[in-house]
Amino acid sequence: QLQLQESGPRLVKPSETLSLTCSVSGDSISTSSYYWGWLRQPPGKGLEWIGTIYYSGNTYYNPSLKSRVTVSVDTSKNHFSLRLTSVTAADTAVYYCARVNKYSSSWPCDHWGQGALVTVSS
Amino acid sequence: QSALTQPPSVSGSPGQSVTISCTGTSSDVGGRNYVSWYQQYPGKAPKLMIYEVTKRPSGVPGRFSGSKSGNTASLTVSGLQAEDEADYYCSSYAGNSNLVFGGGTKLTVL
Repeated sequence: QLQLQESGPRLVKPSETLSLTCSVSGDSISTSSYYWGWLRQPPGKGLEWIGTIYYSGNTYYNPSLKSRVTVSVDTSKNHFSLRLTSVTAADTAVYYCARVNKYSSSWPCDHWGQGALVTVSS
Repeated sequence: QSALTQPPSVSGSPGQSVTISCTGTSSDVGGRNYVSWYQQYPGKAPKLMIYEVTKRPSGVPGRFSGSKSGNTASLTVSGLQAEDEADYYCSSYAGNSNLVFGGGTKLTVL
């Protein structure tokens, strides 16, 4: 059974870098049928797509965050990671990792991690 | 402000049907079969309910159905049950490897 689990610091200071890792179990991250993505949800607000990566390393980012985001993959550890630089309070959110069906035209996220609340505060 | 427009809330009584709309543009919702729908309970991760406008993943009840007309997609929940009370989000592939979401709709079962 596929499981995704986010890990990383839950408190980040303003202007510093947010780093999270999504560990994947129950399936290989190197499967050709899926992308792996990061999304976030500020408290009480809606969902926002951050970026997506293929096991080969190809990345796709939300244009509004592109200048601050890096998503990377480590196939040997079966995990992928998110780095968001120069954070502000507006980046406080629950961060989710998800599996994205590459071959579906709607890019559906069919499996999600439980989410990690990251707070930006001094 | 979200890229896709959803009503903040809808409501219905048990057994009734409710429809949630999701309005975008010809570049996203109005394109090909680009729309997905998610259900989210408080404090939980979203769950995929509909993809490619009308398709249901295995395990999603047939009471949930999707449709599209022009630049507006819709999620219909028939035979409303108490457990359907949740937040619902639409998303759409928007071209150029970009994914956009609606602001979410709170479904209340009266």
